[in-house]
Order: sequence, then structure tokens, then C-alpha cells
Amino acid sequence: GDSVTQMEGPVTLSEEAFLTINCTYTATGYPSLFWYVQYPGEGLQLLLKATKADDKGSNKGFEATYRKETTSFHLEKGSVQVSDSAVYFCALRDSSYKLIFGSGTRLLVRP
Amino acid sequence: GAVVSQHPSWVICKSGTSVKIECRSLDFQATTMFWYRQFPKQSLMLMATSNEGSKATYEQGVEKDKFLINHASLTLSTLTVTSAHPEDSSFYICSARDPRDIAYEQYFGPGTRLTVT
Repeated sequence: GDSVTQMEGPVTLSEEAFLTINCTYTATGYPSLFWYVQYPGEGLQLLLKATKADDKGSNKGFEATYRKETTSFHLEKGSVQVSDSAVYFCALRDSSYKLIFGSGTRLLVRP
Repeated sequence: GAVVSQHPSWVICKSGTSVKIECRSLDFQATTMFWYRQFPKQSLMLMATSNEGSKATYEQGVEKDKFLINHASLTLSTLTVTSAHPEDSSFYICSARDPRDIAYEQYFGPGTRLTVT
């Protein structure tokens, strides 16, 4: 079945550092891909998405490009802030519109 | 817009008792709601999909008699964990879909932490 694999955390960075969180997927067909963020004590929020190959999703300085050839959707940000500390989930939406999540990556940004 | 709430945010119950968790869409009518379970440091696993006015559809391996889901109105779905045991301790998250949203986005509640002693 469809699945999502993302890098284990925690990822600890200093403020203004470059962030990459790797995400790869296995799916039949052409799923939509998502990154969700979960801040402490809050629900998951959609961060960005891409619905077809070569699409780039972006929001709040975060970017991810749908790479069909490498089945990847890596999350990047050029300069992280303390307020970016959260858990990030990569997900795909399958043909029945169900979301399948990766295991989540905790990001801790130090001042 | 698109706010989903859950109640309670945290509950402790004794083994053998039942506990009910509520999921509400606050500013839209949700024809479809989803229930997920999240284990520590693990992914969210879809438990079931509920559609207003009809029986929930459970994922493979989820005991429908243990996890009772009711979606009686367009703004409320409930998950009842019956005869709870310590292995049912987990973080339960609901989400809801706004039928007006052609992108089929799901909006997530903040989750409910269940501890069974």
C-alpha cells in the first residue's frame, strides 16, 4: 500500500540556519503531497501542498517540490526562526482521498 | 475559518470504563469527519471515516465494537472507547472536511490524550 517515509528527529538547529527535512513516498498513481505542522498544544495545520509533479508548494518561507522521478517532497527553509519549532508531518492523499502520514519530525530551533 | 475543536483535551479513566470524545466543526458543516490515533513518536493512523447520518467506515484492524463512532449532526462526531484498557492509551485526533472546499482539505482538531489506568 501507499506509504510515506520521513527523516527521524529531533532536528536541532540554531536560528537562521538552513532547514531540510527529507520525505519520500510510495504510491500507486499520482497522489497529492502535503506538509503539515503541529505546534505544541495545537492541531495539525496545513503548511503547504503540491498536487502534481514539479509543482512547488510554498508558505511562510517553507518550500517543497514534488519530485516524481525521486518520489520525494523534501521540506526546506532558508532561515529558521525559534517560532518554527514544531513537529512536521509529510503526507500523501491517496485516490480515495485518505491522508497517509509519515512519522513526523520534531524541529527545535535554538536562539 | 475552518476551526475544529475537541473535548476533552485530556482524560484519565479506569480500565473497564468507557470514555467519549467529542469533535466539533465550529464554523462550517462537516459532512465527513475522520478519526486518527497517534502513538508516541509515531505517525497518525486513520481509524475511521464518519459521514453524517450513516455508519462509520472503519479501517482494517480497527475494532468497530470497541471504538464507537457517531456522526449525528453536521457539526458533531463522537468517538466512544468502550471497556477501555491501558493499551488504548493514546492521542486521538479528529479532522473534518468542509464540503464547500473543492480542494478536499481536512481541518484538524487539537487532539485528546487518553490515559487508561
